[in-house]
Amino acid sequence: EAGVTQSPTHLIKTRGQQATLRCSPISGHTSVYWYQQALGLGLQFLLWYDEGEERNRGNFPPRFSGRQFPNYSSELNVNALELEDSALYLCASSLEGYEQYFGPGTRLTVT
Amino acid sequence: QKEVEQNSGPLSVPEGAIASLNCTYSDRGSQSFFWYRQYSGKSPELIMFIYSNGDKEDGRFTAQLNKASQYVSLLIRDSQPSDSATYLCAARSYNTDKLIFGTGTRLQVFP
Repeated sequence: EAGVTQSPTHLIKTRGQQATLRCSPISGHTSVYWYQQALGLGLQFLLWYDEGEERNRGNFPPRFSGRQFPNYSSELNVNALELEDSALYLCASSLEGYEQYFGPGTRLTVT
Repeated sequence: QKEVEQNSGPLSVPEGAIASLNCTYSDRGSQSFFWYRQYSGKSPELIMFIYSNGDKEDGRFTAQLNKASQYVSLLIRDSQPSDSATYLCAARSYNTDKLIFGTGTRLQVFP
């Protein structure tokens, strides 16, 4: 069974630009979660999508947004990039709110 | 006070010994707990989850939960150098699917 996939692996942007990160959940999983792992700050919850709806969001500004498509894949958009947005962005999926399994992540570098 | 606390380590143990990793949480509404292993530069990998008070064993790993003391632990028996990684403890409340992570404990197993 294929795991959670994310693309791209690496993304380099300049300040003020927009970044789009993509995630495909494990087949059959309907929930997708986004986390940010910045150096020294640990894993921080960003967004949770289930059945196409945003269910919860973490303590991040509105320029972090996303959506979930009918096939349960998801997209995270970060607008007006700032230097401190540089981090590893992790997507996880779960079935009916049980254990979450992580993808390999997208490393975003903002210069 | 952080919601999920872990000692950052490093915790150094000799090969073959038992490694004991500890975690405390502040939200009494937390219902389920997860241990993830994260190698440097990689995404978190789910090792164990525990929902009920007591012990849960899986191979060399044992998770322990004490809800009265708000304490979770992970024991790794017969530690191997390949177990050297950062171990993340996470808690989930009953009314939300988001995971709250500790900052992780770095484990070093030396030959």
